[in-house]
Amino acid sequence: GAVVSQHPSRVICKSGTSVKIECRSLDFQATTMFWYRQFPKQSLMLMATSNEGSKATYEQGVEKDKFLINHASLTLSTLTVTSAHPEDSSFYICSAPSLDRQITYGYTFGSGTRLTVV
Amino acid sequence: DAKTTQPPSMDCAEGRAANLPCNHSTISGNEYVYWYRQIHSQGPQYIIHGLKNNETNEMASLIITEDRKSSTLILPHATLRDTAVYYCIVRFPGTYKYIFGTGTRLKVLA
Repeated sequence: GAVVSQHPSRVICKSGTSVKIECRSLDFQATTMFWYRQFPKQSLMLMATSNEGSKATYEQGVEKDKFLINHASLTLSTLTVTSAHPEDSSFYICSAPSLDRQITYGYTFGSGTRLTVV
Repeated sequence: DAKTTQPPSMDCAEGRAANLPCNHSTISGNEYVYWYRQIHSQGPQYIIHGLKNNETNEMASLIITEDRKSSTLILPHATLRDTAVYYCIVRFPGTYKYIFGTGTRLKVLA
């Protein structure tokens, strides 16, 4: 099946700095990727849909200037958390459409990035 | 909007079958039901999906009621490594976006 690689797996940054998280589709092209956020013991919350070559679509309540998404190629989408604050500390996960024909309209998820803002 | 409802937690003895229910009473006629699981601090892992018929693969079985308003994921012989949060998912109608419910935290007991 398709593999989605997410990097870094864990990052600690100082308050006020920016952090970039990468999501790569390995051996396949993904024109669409999704970014999720997950707080401890809570479910995944969809943040935005990343579209190759065009602007991302953000879910209601998600600040687009805070969470910058770039999908410049068919295999890479990035999420940049700008001017990070402790409340941005969370688990961020990306996903891309699965190429496994057995999973009709299904998605493959990255392994996640644990962001801690201190 | 379509959404799913699952019990927050369940326990299962190792080696026994784990039956995880999900209610998706507002699912539309052509939408699939997907099951994923998430082991602590990892991304969700695909388990199985179905539309109308029951499905089985090497990981699990999926039983979907005839009216499609609910389904049950069956792990036939649960192991300690099956301890995870299990999500029953449907898509936002007309889109490729997943709706994640609260999931069921399954704990397999030795």
